[in-house]
Amino acid sequence: EVQLVESGGGLVQPGGSLRLSCAASGYTFRNYPMTWVRQAPGKGLEWVAYIGWDSKVIFYADSVKGRFTISRDDAENSLYLEMNNLKHEDTAVYYCARDSGIVGADDHWGQGTLVTVSS
Amino acid sequence: QSVLTQPPSASGTPGQRVTISCSGSTSNFGSLNINWYQQVPGTAPKLLIYRNDLRPSGVPDRFSGSKSGTSASLAITGLESEDEADYYCAAWDDSLKHRVFGGGTRLTVL
Repeated sequence: EVQLVESGGGLVQPGGSLRLSCAASGYTFRNYPMTWVRQAPGKGLEWVAYIGWDSKVIFYADSVKGRFTISRDDAENSLYLEMNNLKHEDTAVYYCARDSGIVGADDHWGQGTLVTVSS
Repeated sequence: QSVLTQPPSASGTPGQRVTISCSGSTSNFGSLNINWYQQVPGTAPKLLIYRNDLRPSGVPDRFSGSKSGTSASLAITGLESEDEADYYCAAWDDSLKHRVFGGGTRLTVL
């Protein structure tokens, strides 16, 4: 069974940093691209970042480019999101998702981790 | 910039057929492959339809997708109370190298 478990969320002040992790199990992690998607309280889904299966292809949403870094450690079956210079508008539940490799469809999602940016 | 537009709400009664639309505002909408997600409030999204009209294993055939011209649709037949959720269309815009989501449609089963 595919499982994705996020961790690392919490309360952080504006301008601060946070590192999210996503532990994958139940499949061959290194074979699949991964994405981060976030959802602000009461709002819709917003794509954040994508990393290809071999880490050579990486894309970011304009809203986080230059502040967030997506990475993966295939030996640890883990996905990461390093978030710097956090802003109030980054407050959201952050989901990691497995990209099926078919037209950008995310076929498995974690339960999400809440990031709150507040002073 | 690619934008996917959905109606904010939809509703139906048990057993009814409902459709949710997703329209595109860019000239490349015709080349986009639309995926649909279902999100029950308080839970993670779930892939419902991919590549416009394909269902992942385990998704009931009550759910179907279609795409024509500048719009796509999700249809749900034999509406059930458990279908009450938010539904999002999404696509990978290869020209922008961005994934885009529609604003979501809250489906209420009356």
